[in-house]
Order: sequence, then C-alpha cells, then structure tokens
Amino acid sequence: GENVEQHPSTLSVQEGDSAVIKCTYSDSASNYFPWYKQELGKGPQLIIDIRSNVGEKKDQRIAVTLNKTAKHFSLHITETQPEDSAVYFCAACDKVIFGPGTSLSVIP
Amino acid sequence: EPEVTQTPSHQVTQMGQEVILRCVPISNHLYFYWYRQILGQKVEFLVSFYNNEISEKSEIFDDQFSVERPDGSNFTLKIRSTKLEDSAMYFCASSLDTRIGATQYFGPGTRLLVL
Repeated sequence: GENVEQHPSTLSVQEGDSAVIKCTYSDSASNYFPWYKQELGKGPQLIIDIRSNVGEKKDQRIAVTLNKTAKHFSLHITETQPEDSAVYFCAACDKVIFGPGTSLSVIP
Repeated sequence: EPEVTQTPSHQVTQMGQEVILRCVPISNHLYFYWYRQILGQKVEFLVSFYNNEISEKSEIFDDQFSVERPDGSNFTLKIRSTKLEDSAMYFCASSLDTRIGATQYFGPGTRLLVL
C-alpha cells in the first residue's frame, strides 16, 4: 500500500518568514495530493491540493509543488502569520492516506 | 457553509463497553468515511461507506467495529467491546463523490477515552 512520509515533524518560523514542508510517497500510481491543516481541537481541513498532471499550484500565500519522478511534493507558506500555526498533513491517493503531520509554530 | 457534525465531542468509557459515535454528514454527500487519530500520531483511515454498504476498510477495522446509516442523515461508528488502545480522536468525513480529487470534508472529531 501507499506509504507517506513527511518532514520536518516540527517547524518554528518567525512571523513573515516562509515555511516549507516536504512529503514523499511510495506508490507511483498515486495521482492526487491534498494538504490538510488541523487546528487545535478541530478536524483536518483541506487547504490546497494538486493533481499529477501539474507541477505547481498556488493559492495566495500557499503553494504546492509536485515532482512525480522523485515522488515528492511540498507545501510552501509565504509571509507566515500566527494564525498559520497548526498541524499540517500531506496525503496521497484517494483514500487520503495521511503523512504523520508537521506541527508549525509561527512566532510573532 | 454546510459542515460535518459529530457527537459527542468527548466520550469516556470503561474497557469492554460498547460505544457509538455519531456523525451527520453534509446533506447531499453520498460517501462517508471514518478515520482515527491516536494522540500524537497520524490520522488513519478506518472505513468508507457508500450506498448502505462498506466500500473499503483498513486492517484496523476489525470485527469489533461496525458502521451504519440508520436514517437519511446520521452515520454511526460502533465499537462493540472497547479496548484501551481504542482511545483516540475519531473523525467522520463525507464527500460528494469518490473520484480521486473529490474533497473530503471532516467533522470536528470525537475524543474517545477508554479506561
């Protein structure tokens, strides 16, 4: 089955700096890669996704890049704000197989 | 904006007891899912449900687990005889369809503690 790994497990950045979270996957057949944000006490919420037919997608301060050859994809958050602090999960395939999560702390 | 709701938000139970976790998916959605998240670990897929039957389940979803859509709005997860290791956050999700890329909307979760 699909195996998703995610790095780093924790990340602290100064407000205004960029944050990058990286994931790798094992199943070359995977072709859909969503990113979820989980705030304290809440369920995961989809923030951006990418399909295998594109290499990059951007939505305001959030962007995702995909390298199918290397089987890795990354989440980029620019101009981070305190409200970006949360746990971020990458996922692969259609059953939403989650990575282990990255806890992002944005220091004001 | 429509959302998935779950009740209760917290449940404490004794080992060996049965628990039923309830979810109300988004009203026009057709596919329903349960996930669990043990404290400090990743979110794990348990089961998907469509057209009143299980469409897929993980190896975690053993005979102690069952799901049901008893009426047109609720979707439940039952754990027959809870074990200590069932303590986790349980998330329900729903989607309009099951094509790859169909967004799954998650509920806020039920925190289950088995003593």
